[in-house]
Amino acid sequence: EDQVTQSPEALRLQEGESSSLNCSYTVSGLRGLFWYRQDPGKGPEFLFTLYSAGEEKEKERLKATLTKKESFLHITAPKPEDSATYLCAGPDRGSTLGRLYFGRGTQLTVWP
Amino acid sequence: AAGVIQSPRHLIKEKRETATLKCYPIPRHDTVYWYQQGPGQDPQFLISFYEKMQSDKGSIPDRFSAQQFSDYHSELNMSSLELGDSALYFCASSPRDRGLGEQYFGPGTRLTVT
Repeated sequence: EDQVTQSPEALRLQEGESSSLNCSYTVSGLRGLFWYRQDPGKGPEFLFTLYSAGEEKEKERLKATLTKKESFLHITAPKPEDSATYLCAGPDRGSTLGRLYFGRGTQLTVWP
Repeated sequence: AAGVIQSPRHLIKEKRETATLKCYPIPRHDTVYWYQQGPGQDPQFLISFYEKMQSDKGSIPDRFSAQQFSDYHSELNMSSLELGDSALYFCASSPRDRGLGEQYFGPGTRLTVT
């Protein structure tokens, strides 16, 4: 069964303390991997799309990378406003129209 | 920039009642998706529409139905509601030329079934 697995489930960082979130996937024939941010009670917010191993995308303090087996979301010098749940998703291999499998997410808390 | 609009934002229903959730996608987005997110859970895909036709179906109960109208807005109809249907329901939209996973989510409708 296709799976997207994220770790850790929760991460607490002090402001300025860099770290990485992991997303591993067993989706065969992966056609892209996607990162979203979700604040409590709100809809997920699209962050990045990664299509091929070695690809990197950056946005402010976030950088997403992709290997053949996993993706990392690196957070450099985080601030309290980066606190959120970060979701990784992959498309269903049988779907050509965008059905996404989401991981359970990493709940990030950045304290001042 | 315009975002996905969902209404209502909150809905309280009793068991066995019916609910209708509405979604207005971002203008010029031709694909609409519906997801259900239970407390502490990841979003689960329900159903999607492309150009007003159902394009994909996930773990959507037979009690639920959905459609997309000529103005591209979509409605999720839920009948014979059960306590387990209590969740956040998200609608997302995407333009076909931006890739499958670049979906823009609305603020969600929080459905509570009592």
